[in-house]
Amino acid sequence: ILNVEQSPQSLHVQEGDSTNFTCSFPSSNFYALHWYRWETAKSPEALFVMTLNGDEKKKGRISATLNTKEGYSYLYIKGSQPEDSATYLCAFMTGNQFYFGTGTSLTVIP
Amino acid sequence: AAGVIQSPRHLIKEKRETATLKCYPIPRHDTVYWYQQGPGQDPQFLISFYEKMQSDKGSIPDRFSAQQFSDYHSELNMSSLELGDSALYFCASSLDGGYYEQYFGPGTRLTVT
Repeated sequence: ILNVEQSPQSLHVQEGDSTNFTCSFPSSNFYALHWYRWETAKSPEALFVMTLNGDEKKKGRISATLNTKEGYSYLYIKGSQPEDSATYLCAFMTGNQFYFGTGTSLTVIP
Repeated sequence: AAGVIQSPRHLIKEKRETATLKCYPIPRHDTVYWYQQGPGQDPQFLISFYEKMQSDKGSIPDRFSAQQFSDYHSELNMSSLELGDSALYFCASSLDGGYYEQYFGPGTRLTVT
């Protein structure tokens, strides 16, 4: 079983603050790294699929970077809003298997 | 837009019974993944299919089996159910493997009593 770690486990920020969290994964046999946003009582929603070292992706106020050589990805949220409150999961893909991290639970306080 | 459909949404079974969960992927998606999420846990990959063939296997117990049919829908068959099988089972579909994002279904909540 591969180890995919996310930190911090939970985060509380004020509305308007920018924040970031980390996904660490094995640096060998890398195929892809996915980020998902998961709101309570809903299904995970895809944010980014990253495949190349140095990839940077952006969707609105959310962006992500990827370093496959050292095995980490950062997710950034600029100007957090209450609707950003969710659990953010990363998933490391090797072969045809996905290994999910334990997630970072973000709460944005109005 | 069409989403991933899972049925049933909720299922209650007794120990040692069998259960079948169904997943209907987004049209034209050829890859299906099954995940199990226990209470307070992150999703665990069970098994995946690409073009009706099993492409990889994760932490799926031997009591479970799955297949993908010619119309690309998939079924997860679970036999000799145990209390520990109580979980949320997600199916996700995508195009052609991991370079494309997965779209998750709403999940099937299985309760084993």
